[in-house]
Amino acid sequence: NAGVMQNPRHLVRRRGQEARLRCSPMKGHSHVYWYRQLPEEGLKFMVYLQKENIIDESGMPKERFSAEFPKEGPSILRIQQVVRGDSAAYFCASSPLRNNEQFFGPGTRLTVL
Amino acid sequence: EDQVTQSPEALRLQEGESSSLNCSYTVSGLRGLFWYRQDPGKGPEFLFTLYSAGEEKEKERLKATLTKKESFLHITAPKPEDSATYLCAVQEGVQGAQKLVFGQGTRLTINP
Repeated sequence: NAGVMQNPRHLVRRRGQEARLRCSPMKGHSHVYWYRQLPEEGLKFMVYLQKENIIDESGMPKERFSAEFPKEGPSILRIQQVVRGDSAAYFCASSPLRNNEQFFGPGTRLTVL
Repeated sequence: EDQVTQSPEALRLQEGESSSLNCSYTVSGLRGLFWYRQDPGKGPEFLFTLYSAGEEKEKERLKATLTKKESFLHITAPKPEDSATYLCAVQEGVQGAQKLVFGQGTRLTINP
């Protein structure tokens, strides 16, 4: 049973470009969470999604960031017009049910030049 | 607002030297407290979930305990491969609240 998969593992973008991060949850998991880990900081919650629904986006920056989890395919975290402050490790986690343990993927390390 | 504080920030031990990591929390009704291990360049690896005061869980050289205000991760006779950052997180017991609130972590180094 494959774990949570994220791609790409490393992503380099120039200021002003768009970044798309993908997350495939574990088989049988219908709940997806995105977290961000800034350099020298702890993991911070961004957004919680179920299939086709955003449940909690209280941790998402108001502008430039969006997330989706379509009926088919992976969850996508999209960052428009990236800035240097967006450089961080972005982790996806999944769980089979609400309030169950969340299992994390290996992360996508975004570097903005 | 939920807060999770871990101490110490960093800890160096000799192989075989047992110790404990602390995680104190303030939350409006605890739904669950989670411990993860994170190696450099990797995602957090799930270790334990604790749900109520007095609960304990063990896995190999690790034992996690929970009180109403804090949790401890006890490491018995550690080995160099136990070196990692250990993360504590809480989940609030509010309807619909699923997010984990993480502490800053304790960076553990076990010297051979």
